[in-house]
Amino acid sequence: AQKITQTQPGMFVQEKEAVTLDCTYDTSDQSYGLFWYKQPSSGEMIFLIYQGSYDEQNATEGRYSLNFQKARKSANLVISASQLGDSAMYFCAMRDYDSGYSTLTFGKGTMLLVSP
Amino acid sequence: GAGVSQSPSNKVTEKGKDVELRCDPISGHTALYWYRQSLGQGLEFLIYFQGNSAPDKSGLPSDRFSAERTGGSVSTLTIQRTQQEDSAVYLCASSPSTYDTQYFGPGTRLTVL
Repeated sequence: AQKITQTQPGMFVQEKEAVTLDCTYDTSDQSYGLFWYKQPSSGEMIFLIYQGSYDEQNATEGRYSLNFQKARKSANLVISASQLGDSAMYFCAMRDYDSGYSTLTFGKGTMLLVSP
Repeated sequence: GAGVSQSPSNKVTEKGKDVELRCDPISGHTALYWYRQSLGQGLEFLIYFQGNSAPDKSGLPSDRFSAERTGGSVSTLTIQRTQQEDSAVYLCASSPSTYDTQYFGPGTRLTVL
């Protein structure tokens, strides 16, 4: 089974609206970390937000929040008030003991397009 | 401060040649990672360094791939006898220590003709 599943190859949203990018994960470890990265057309991977498996609160960073549902093994990224500059590929990633805890396993990504 | 830098940004080479890709991590970051991003395979882990040692080389696809890190800083990824399937973007990341968030460089786009 895939460790990280992003089921939405592409998403469209209008400027100023909120959008949710889905991510489900598979691990038998109790201790793991979940990350979201943004990759604009320039190619650089930009870290957005992190959620630890033991964190009781959902992570938030500015307009980004992570909807963490541990029992469902989902870690969806919510972007509020979308901006044109949010158009990019978004990757969900996990670090767990199985993968040596030092490396990230990435999903296939979701392409987000924000229209005016 | 300065982020992770990689050079060259683009490299075009002929099949069978050797190439060297360089990564300069964020100052003070002890952990360094190489990943490969290709259309067919997505993002794949290649190798991880803690200081100058490489505890995890499990992702290197073949013995044509090697990497070293000297002085706990700059790392070089070498691909010998390049093949067309080596064409990809090679991304380097660093983190303050093993369990911290990884910060990525802009990548090197390798094209093997």
